[in-house]
Amino acid sequence: DAGITQSPRYKITETGRQVTLMCHQTWSHSYMFWYRQDLGHGLRLIYYSAAADITDKGEVPDGYVVSRSKTENFPLTLESATRSQTSVYFCASSESAGWTDTQYFGPGTRLTVL
Amino acid sequence: SQQGEEDPQALSIQEGENATMNCSYKTSINNLQWYRQNSGRGLVHLILIRSNEREKHSGRLRVTLDTSKKSSSLLITASRAADTASYFCAGQGAQKLVFGQGTRLTINP
Repeated sequence: DAGITQSPRYKITETGRQVTLMCHQTWSHSYMFWYRQDLGHGLRLIYYSAAADITDKGEVPDGYVVSRSKTENFPLTLESATRSQTSVYFCASSESAGWTDTQYFGPGTRLTVL
Repeated sequence: SQQGEEDPQALSIQEGENATMNCSYKTSINNLQWYRQNSGRGLVHLILIRSNEREKHSGRLRVTLDTSKKSSSLLITASRAADTASYFCAGQGAQKLVFGQGTRLTINP
């Protein structure tokens, strides 16, 4: 039972480069989420998806793009990475109504933008 | 804007003692959830309390919710070294689950 996985776990990139963070869940959960975690800010929602081909912005979506062509995958792309996007990124999924259900988190991707 | 704000930001106690963490939030919520994060790991859901509930228990965890004060507390009884982690409250309002900055709990042997 793999649950929810993220790849890569660690990534170092340079300013201006495109980076894609992968998220895969094996539960067929409808909802998926991307958060970033920074000291002093806790977790902030970047984007979420209620189902395949349905995505919506969260609190801090600027500079990020998401897609969800398949229920189990929810990649997050930084189109032109900036230093301010250095952070730990967490993907999460939720079974049904989303907001009243618990969220299951992946292990995180630590991204450093030089 | 943060929905939840935890207090204290850091807490250090001896093993066996009880740990209490508080959370305040700003707007109306449908439920409030508590999560634990071990160092370098993702968050793990601990307990959910709905807005019409005042108290909930799960094992050594006790959560209270006071909607009139927009506050919640998490009590961990008989703490263990394995409870060392960061604890986050998250308020679920209109279509959003918003996390606080967390309380870092250290249990000393």
